[in-house]
Amino acid sequence: DGGITQSPKYLFRKEGQNVTLSCEQNLNHDAMYWYRQDPGQGLRLIYYSQIVNDFQKGDIAEGYSVSREKKESFPLTVTSAQKNPTAFYLCASSIFVKDSGANVLTFGAGSRLTVL
Amino acid sequence: GDSVTQMEGPVTLSEEAFLTINCTYTATGYPSLFWYVQYPGEGLQLLLKATKADDKGSNKGFEATYRKETTSFHLEKGSVQVSDSAVYFCALRDNVQGGSEKLVFGKGTKLTVNP
Repeated sequence: DGGITQSPKYLFRKEGQNVTLSCEQNLNHDAMYWYRQDPGQGLRLIYYSQIVNDFQKGDIAEGYSVSREKKESFPLTVTSAQKNPTAFYLCASSIFVKDSGANVLTFGAGSRLTVL
Repeated sequence: GDSVTQMEGPVTLSEEAFLTINCTYTATGYPSLFWYVQYPGEGLQLLLKATKADDKGSNKGFEATYRKETTSFHLEKGSVQVSDSAVYFCALRDNVQGGSEKLVFGKGTKLTVNP
């Protein structure tokens, strides 16, 4: 079955450590996204990529980095510069049809990061 | 900038009750509107969508109508079930030509349905 796989599901990190969250999709989607979810704040966009080897900052990119070397993969690194990294991280993907309102996001199951 | 405002939760209902979750938006262009649902411990799933004014999206007994005059996209269901307990997110994508393809989400409304 096609879908998005995020790993790990749960991750614990000590302060000052970088961690990388994996996101893999086999839907042949062009665009991929990373969102952060905090209680009572909804989803906020961290980074997104519409094609391979290209990505743009979202609303809260500071302290995060991404790469898009393959169409199927969009890993997110949470760096030590991120002041409050404890959160639920969601990866998503979609077909990219420019200026189309019909593009629908498919989400992974999420990764919960806790900083100790 | 674009924004989505949802009614604050949590919302608690008895089984078979009528559900309304209000959603209003502001956008610079001609947005498409979406409702996503998140079950406990999972990612989000698309529930329904509408891409132009007066369109009605529907799925699994849920409905929402795109009202341009009131900039609203309220979610309704006539008879909720315990299995509808989840967090519901309203979202928009602004279709201004050349604009980014990202979605803007509301803060979410948690629904609990008791038997």
